[in-house]
Amino acid sequence: TQLLEQSPQFLSIQEGENLTVYCNSSSVFSSLQWYRQEPGEGPVLLVTVVTGGEVKKLKRLTFQFGDARKDSSLHITAAQTGDTGLYLCAGGFSSWGKLQFGAGTQVVVTP
Amino acid sequence: EAGVAQSPRYKIIEKRQSVAFWCNPISGHATLYWYQQILGQGPKLLIQFQNNGVVDDSQLPKDRFSAERLKGVDSTLKIQPAKLEDSAVYLCASSRLGLESHNEQFFGPGTRLTVL
Repeated sequence: TQLLEQSPQFLSIQEGENLTVYCNSSSVFSSLQWYRQEPGEGPVLLVTVVTGGEVKKLKRLTFQFGDARKDSSLHITAAQTGDTGLYLCAGGFSSWGKLQFGAGTQVVVTP
Repeated sequence: EAGVAQSPRYKIIEKRQSVAFWCNPISGHATLYWYQQILGQGPKLLIQFQNNGVVDDSQLPKDRFSAERLKGVDSTLKIQPAKLEDSAVYLCASSRLGLESHNEQFFGPGTRLTVL
């Protein structure tokens, strides 16, 4: 059972469009991370958010942590083909380092 | 800084055979994780080491899976005997110890296992 629900499961858009991916849970997290995974590779850490309401920007990517620290969103502005990949959110419960991963959102950006 | 290294990258075996995967974490990272990722799913934690001790192995199928990290650096994950449902990508990750690490984990490229 996935404690973290990601939506949508799959998203196909054209270059230049915007997209938002959601990560929701009934649990409160001490931290939340977003990773991107490309075929044949391991997940790569994009960002960590730790404070309720926090917003972080990474070039065209905007990450938001919910006020109650139970949910998060990832918004991509003017998507590029290089943004194609599996986007995973992962919630941390304690300082012991354990993460709970969502099932991921597969994003495909076509030229 | 070198990343997490894993080998082999691919392995094909027949059911009931045994297989072993190797992982070398980022230098200085005290915590090491093994995950199983089935196609279409997120990574599922199999076992977590802190230095050479096991922190969490609650989801490790101990009748067939074993893992060790004898000197607190490299780690090996073994499956014996393998079943068809073990076909997956096995990911190794490492992280620093302490509150300031915020659970940030760094992953290797994974080993894709196919059991026929």
